Amino acid sequence: DTAVSQTPKYLVTQMGNDKSIKCEQNLGHDTMYWYKQDSKKFLKIMFSYNNKELIINETVPNRFSPKSPDKAHLNLHINSLELGDSAVYFCASRDTGEQYFGPGTRLTVT
Amino acid sequence: QQQVKQSPQSLIVQKGGISIINCAYENTAFDYFPWYQQFPGKGPALLIAIRPDVSEKKEGRFTISFNKSAKQFSLHIMDSQPGDSATYFCAGTGGATNKLIFGTGTLLAVQP
Repeated sequence: DTAVSQTPKYLVTQMGNDKSIKCEQNLGHDTMYWYKQDSKKFLKIMFSYNNKELIINETVPNRFSPKSPDKAHLNLHINSLELGDSAVYFCASRDTGEQYFGPGTRLTVT
Repeated sequence: QQQVKQSPQSLIVQKGGISIINCAYENTAFDYFPWYQQFPGKGPALLIAIRPDVSEKKEGRFTISFNKSAKQFSLHIMDSQPGDSATYFCAGTGGATNKLIFGTGTLLAVQP
């Protein structure tokens, strides 16, 4: 009965590689988000989709590309990974107020 | 305009004491102010939230105090317990996109 799930939980990869993180929510929410949490635990929004349409696109390098195949899924693809991309990435979904966060994906770029 | 400032960065409280975390916002368009609790290795989870039409909201041991004129709000944890040890984030949101703007977080340690 997981509400917001992400895969994988851990991702270790080398610089220059391309990787994807998947997110699924079974709450029936229309809006989904990607957040990045850096080593100092600062949480910053990256993207938001509402019913498969991009509505928030913060100043994120264009190496990051979100894709929403349907309103229950929001995936994040990252090209040409850099050391600075190392962080925990959280997916979230929202109803009228509260945002529900997934467990996070810890990405380590070596 | 978008910042939410949070203090202190870390806090140590004895069991049974009161934990107080403060936040200040700039964006007057914010209309929803949640507090999130995050345990190590987990995602943030909503703890309690308030809208600016009330000055206080209490849920169990957790209380938000809100001062609209000062653009400040705070979280009070009464009778703090070791199980409350976590990182706490305040946030503000509002407008068409409802994006959450988080504070910088407070690491709370409640000593037994």
